[in-house]
Amino acid sequence: DARVTQTPRHKVTEMGQEVTMRCQPILGHNTVFWYRQTMMQGLELLAYFRNRAPLDDSGMPKDRFSAEMPDATLATLKIQPSEPRDSAVYFCASGFNPLAEPGGEQFFGPGTRLTVL
Amino acid sequence: QKEVEQNSGPLSVPEGAIASLNCTYSDRGSQSFFWYRQYSGKSPELIMFIYSNGDKEDGRFTAQLNKASQYVSLLIRDSQPSDSATYLCALTGGSARQLTFGSGTQLTVLP
Repeated sequence: DARVTQTPRHKVTEMGQEVTMRCQPILGHNTVFWYRQTMMQGLELLAYFRNRAPLDDSGMPKDRFSAEMPDATLATLKIQPSEPRDSAVYFCASGFNPLAEPGGEQFFGPGTRLTVL
Repeated sequence: QKEVEQNSGPLSVPEGAIASLNCTYSDRGSQSFFWYRQYSGKSPELIMFIYSNGDKEDGRFTAQLNKASQYVSLLIRDSQPSDSATYLCALTGGSARQLTFGSGTQLTVLP
């Protein structure tokens, strides 16, 4: 049963601390997405990778957020330093898109619920 | 104007009725349209996608697309309490390089 996995599922931290979230995409998928979901803003795209290369991180606050794919089985999203306004659910999604075109089905992981005090 | 507009609801329908969920979009270049369902505390899951004008049916679900009116809808026939969730409209194409989501409509099906 192929699925996207994310760790940790829950994270409570204090303002100023570093937070690292991890995602394992579905084997064989070549696109990986990081989203943030809040009640006020809904689902926002933070970063997008295709074949491990970052293609779009325009939705991500660059001064504190960073996203990487060290290998095909791991994507990371890091926040340093974290702030209370970063409290949200962070979803990773993966898909297979053979062409560099928008779209394609995405499969979402269970999310990481982050609370920054 | 937001790129993707949805009525946030909540929308309540009795069990067995047809639930109609609507979505409008601003970019005429949008090409692909998706409906995701998200149960409370869970992640979004794709239930339908549509690329061409007209209707597309899958079981109790029908997606309708009208590109001239920039309108996409989701009909759920014979609604069940298990359909109670938030339904997210999403699109790609035009200026949206990747999936752009609406804010979602919360549906409650009353037993």
